[in-house]
Amino acid sequence: NAGVTQTPKFQVLKTGQSMTLQCAQDMNHEYMSWYRQDPGMGLRLIHYSVGAGITDQGEVPNGYNVSRSTTEDFPLRLLSAAPSQTSVYFCASSSARADRTDTQYFGPGTRLTVL
Amino acid sequence: GESVGLHLPTLSVQEGDNSIINCAYSNSASDYFIWYKQESGKGPQFIIDIRSNMDKRQGQRVTVLLNKTVKHLSLQIAATQPGDSAVYFCAEKGGGSNYKLTFGKGTLLTVNP
Repeated sequence: NAGVTQTPKFQVLKTGQSMTLQCAQDMNHEYMSWYRQDPGMGLRLIHYSVGAGITDQGEVPNGYNVSRSTTEDFPLRLLSAAPSQTSVYFCASSSARADRTDTQYFGPGTRLTVL
Repeated sequence: GESVGLHLPTLSVQEGDNSIINCAYSNSASDYFIWYKQESGKGPQFIIDIRSNMDKRQGQRVTVLLNKTVKHLSLQIAATQPGDSAVYFCAEKGGGSNYKLTFGKGTLLTVNP
């Protein structure tokens, strides 16, 4: 049971490039989410999903796309990278069953620098 | 407590002392609260949680207190150890079927040997 995995761990992009941050979980969790963490800002929610085929915007969705074709995977796409997207990105998952309130488990993060 | 501006609030304690980290939350409808620990270069790690129908919950060396009247949450760490040095975040979940967490800005705990 690997929990939540993220790849890559580090990435440097040039302004305007696109890329996909990968996230996978093996806990059969329905709920998955992406956060970005900037100094002094805590974690801010980018996008989330409550199940395969269902996604929604969080607090800071602009410049990012997501899809959820399977329960296990929740990739985050940067369409045209900007320096303001330099941050550490965390993926998280939890059970979304109505009879449980489960904590969110976080991946190790991807440190992204946009030049 | 919560951060102001770009600087994390910090708490510095001696090894063996008890630590208390505070958090003010924003949504009176929040029904679930979590404390996370984040070590440098790692993702947030679950410490302890509490539901809104409780005012206290204890774990191993940690206790969370919830005061809904003033929307305040605290994390108490007993006999603080150098390995407890990290940034601590509180998070709240909105009520009902809202699964989204809202995080506080964090408090940096430094334990001096």
